[in-house]
Amino acid sequence: AQTVTQSQPEMSVQEAETVTLSCTYDTSENNYYLFWYKQPPSRQMILVIRQEAYKQQNATENRFSVNFQKAAKSFSLKISDSQLGDTAMYFCAFMKQGNNDMRFGAGTRLTVKP
Amino acid sequence: NAGVMQNPRHLVRRRGQEARLRCSPMKGHSHVYWYRQLPEEGLKFMVYLQKENIIDESGMPKERFSAEFPKEGPSILRIQQVVRGDSAAYFCASSPRTGHTDTQYFGPGTRLTVL
Repeated sequence: AQTVTQSQPEMSVQEAETVTLSCTYDTSENNYYLFWYKQPPSRQMILVIRQEAYKQQNATENRFSVNFQKAAKSFSLKISDSQLGDTAMYFCAFMKQGNNDMRFGAGTRLTVKP
Repeated sequence: NAGVMQNPRHLVRRRGQEARLRCSPMKGHSHVYWYRQLPEEGLKFMVYLQKENIIDESGMPKERFSAEFPKEGPSILRIQQVVRGDSAAYFCASSPRTGHTDTQYFGPGTRLTVL
């Protein structure tokens, strides 16, 4: 079974600074996908970034980038130039290729302070 | 292109009543997924449906819970004889393609409270 672990229940960062959220996962699969979702107070689940395991290059979306270490089964999210609107719960998720369900971590609550 | 729609956004039921949660996928998406989120936890997969078919219901409780995605209309998650432990946020997601793992886009969720 695949498990996803987010070891930081809460984090905070000053506005305009950089923060990294950690995520590790456990799987015996070789082909899979990894995601970071953001859940602001509105509780909407918003896709932040996605990584295919077969790609060595780390995914980047504007201020959001990942550090994907396949051998270490690590998938951290870096948020640069943090903004107040980044305050949210962040969930790391894993999905095996060809499968239907995503496995989510327990989440990290990020607070961006002015 | 409207996103995934869920209604109602909030639903209050007394123990023993039925809860019906509706989900309209994004336009062009024919795959629907339901997840449940308990307070302070991540989402847990419940069921995956395509039009008129349940593909994977491995995450759904065997009793009281059912789901459908008819040819016309939204997907429905139905919980019969609700209990307090059913109180949670229920999220629906949709994706477009067949036979591929694709990104799932989530609706705003329905928060069910059982009194």
